[in-house]
Amino acid sequence: AQTVTQSQPEMSVQEAETVTLSCTYDTSESDYYLFWYKQPPSRQMILVIRQEAYKQQNATENRFSVNFQKAAKSFSLKISDSQLGDAAMYFCAYRRSMNRDDKIIFGKGTRLHILP
Amino acid sequence: NAGVTQTPKFRILKIGQSMTLQCTQDMNHNYMYWYRQDPGMGLKLIYYSVGAGITDKGEVPNGYNVSRSTTEDFPLRLELAAPSQTSVYFCASSELGGGAGYTFGSGTRLTVV
Repeated sequence: AQTVTQSQPEMSVQEAETVTLSCTYDTSESDYYLFWYKQPPSRQMILVIRQEAYKQQNATENRFSVNFQKAAKSFSLKISDSQLGDAAMYFCAYRRSMNRDDKIIFGKGTRLHILP
Repeated sequence: NAGVTQTPKFRILKIGQSMTLQCTQDMNHNYMYWYRQDPGMGLKLIYYSVGAGITDKGEVPNGYNVSRSTTEDFPLRLELAAPSQTSVYFCASSELGGGAGYTFGSGTRLTVV
């Protein structure tokens, strides 16, 4: 069964600095998708970035980028120029491709604190 | 475009009471899901549906029931509420295909006392 592991329950970073959140996953599939979701104090789940496993190029969305290492089954999120609004719980997630039962599997989350 | 709408946002139940959490989406998504979120545990799948009339159990289905009579609606029923069901509940929907992430509702915080 697929699993997603986030080994850092909490992290802190100084405002304007860069922080990297770690995620590893386990799968026997070759084609899948990986996601990072953000959950601010409002509780709303927001999709931050997605990565397709068959694409070697790392996805980027403005200040958010990923380091996708398929062989190592690693999918870290880098946040550059951290802002107070980045404070949230971040969930790494996995989904198989094009399958009737392709539910998203979530990690347990990393709570990110931004220090002013 | 409302997306996924969940009601209520907050609810307190007494042990043994029943209630239905409502979920409606207006994006014509076939796939719909119910998750619960407990502190430090991430999101656990309760039930899901791949289309009207089709539902299936997820990881933690005990104590819950669902139905999917229309594409838009996917209510979650709690029968005989127990303190272990105190949690935040999220409904989500997606298009067919692995690359489609979920669109989430805003969640329901349920407390059973």
